[in-house]
Amino acid sequence: EAQVTQNPRYLITVTGKKLTVTCSQNMNHEYMSWYRQDPGLGLRQIYYSMNVEVTDKGDVPEGYKVSRKEKRNFPLILESPSPNQTSLYFCASSFRGTSGGASSYNEQFFGPGTRLTVL
Amino acid sequence: QQQVKQSPQSLIVQKGGISIINCAYENTAFDYFPWYQQFPGKGPALLIAIRPDVSEKKEGRFTISFNKSAKQFSLHIMDSQPGDSATYFCAASRGAAGNFNKFYFGSGTKLNVKP
Repeated sequence: EAQVTQNPRYLITVTGKKLTVTCSQNMNHEYMSWYRQDPGLGLRQIYYSMNVEVTDKGDVPEGYKVSRKEKRNFPLILESPSPNQTSLYFCASSFRGTSGGASSYNEQFFGPGTRLTVL
Repeated sequence: QQQVKQSPQSLIVQKGGISIINCAYENTAFDYFPWYQQFPGKGPALLIAIRPDVSEKKEGRFTISFNKSAKQFSLHIMDSQPGDSATYFCAASRGAAGNFNKFYFGSGTKLNVKP
């Protein structure tokens, strides 16, 4: 089954304790992204990756790190979590499009989400 | 500064009625406008999408209306059903410009369809 998986699904931690949220996709997608979802703010992009070893900042990258050493995996790292990072996190993946034309518009497939609470 | 503004924040519709959710954007470089549907405890899933070269796209009971001059687009759900109760997000991106993975989402609309 084609899917994006995230682990853990729920996490409660304390301020300053490093954590990693894993994301994996089995669709051979080039693009992967991390979003956070907060009430009234919708989904905001944290980081994205266009391929292995190629990553770039989204709109809210502060306090987060990512790496893309393998095509299928895109972990999100919080080296020193703070309470303002309490949120619902989603990983997403999609195929890479070509320049212009219908194929440049690609559906993003989202994981089930990780609810993080930082005390 | 929010790139895509969505309204209303919540919506209650009777079964069989029409649900309408509106979005507005500022960046005329956007050229792909998807709508995502999210059920509680799940990740968003693509519902329907439109490109600015057409003014309307219909898939079953779901229709996107697009007004390029006003920089607005909306989702219409005809014959709304209780199973449509979910949170809906509009989004925009600049696919043709090469930055295929940069999406801007609206703040979401929680739809409740009453039986």
